[in-house]
Amino acid sequence: NAGVTQTPKFQVLKTGQSMTLQCAQDMNHNSMYWYRQDPGMGLRLIYYSASEGTTDKGEVPNGYNVSRLNKREFSLRLESAAPSQTSVYFCASSVGQGDSPLHFGNGTRLTVT
Amino acid sequence: QQQVKQSPQSLIVQKGGISIINCAYENTAFDYFPWYQQFPGKGPALLIAIRPDVSEKKEGRFTISFNKSAKQFSLHIMDSQPGDSATYFCAASRAGGYQKVTFGTGTKLQVIP
Repeated sequence: NAGVTQTPKFQVLKTGQSMTLQCAQDMNHNSMYWYRQDPGMGLRLIYYSASEGTTDKGEVPNGYNVSRLNKREFSLRLESAAPSQTSVYFCASSVGQGDSPLHFGNGTRLTVT
Repeated sequence: QQQVKQSPQSLIVQKGGISIINCAYENTAFDYFPWYQQFPGKGPALLIAIRPDVSEKKEGRFTISFNKSAKQFSLHIMDSQPGDSATYFCAASRAGGYQKVTFGTGTKLQVIP
């Protein structure tokens, strides 16, 4: 039982390059999320998917797109990376109800030069 | 707009001492308040959570105190151990319906021997 798996673990991009961060969960959870973590800023929600087939913007969606490929997989795409997107990105999943815990992956550390 | 304010940003405690982290929220619609613990290189994991119908919840050495009228809640770690050294995030959400969690900015706790 792997939980939430994120790939890659580390990535360095040049400004303007694109990439997709992959996330998969094996807990049959309905909801999936992408957060970014920056020093002093905590965890900020980028996009979320309440259920398969739906996606919605979070607190900081600009510069990102997402795809809920199926119930297990939720990807995050940076179309044209900027230095401000240097961060640690976490994918999470949950059953979906407001009082159910979030299960996080171990993150992708992204540096944009 | 920071809906959950957390302090202090960092904390150093002697082994055996009490660690206290405070959070305040603004949105009175929040009715579920979890705390997450994050070790270096890992994603956050649920530590303990409380609903506003109780003023205190204890699990082992970890206690959440909740003050609904002041819109504040805190995490107390009794008999702090070096293994408790981690970053702690308070959070808030609405328990009913779809879950969207707002996190505090995090507190880096170091417990020294």
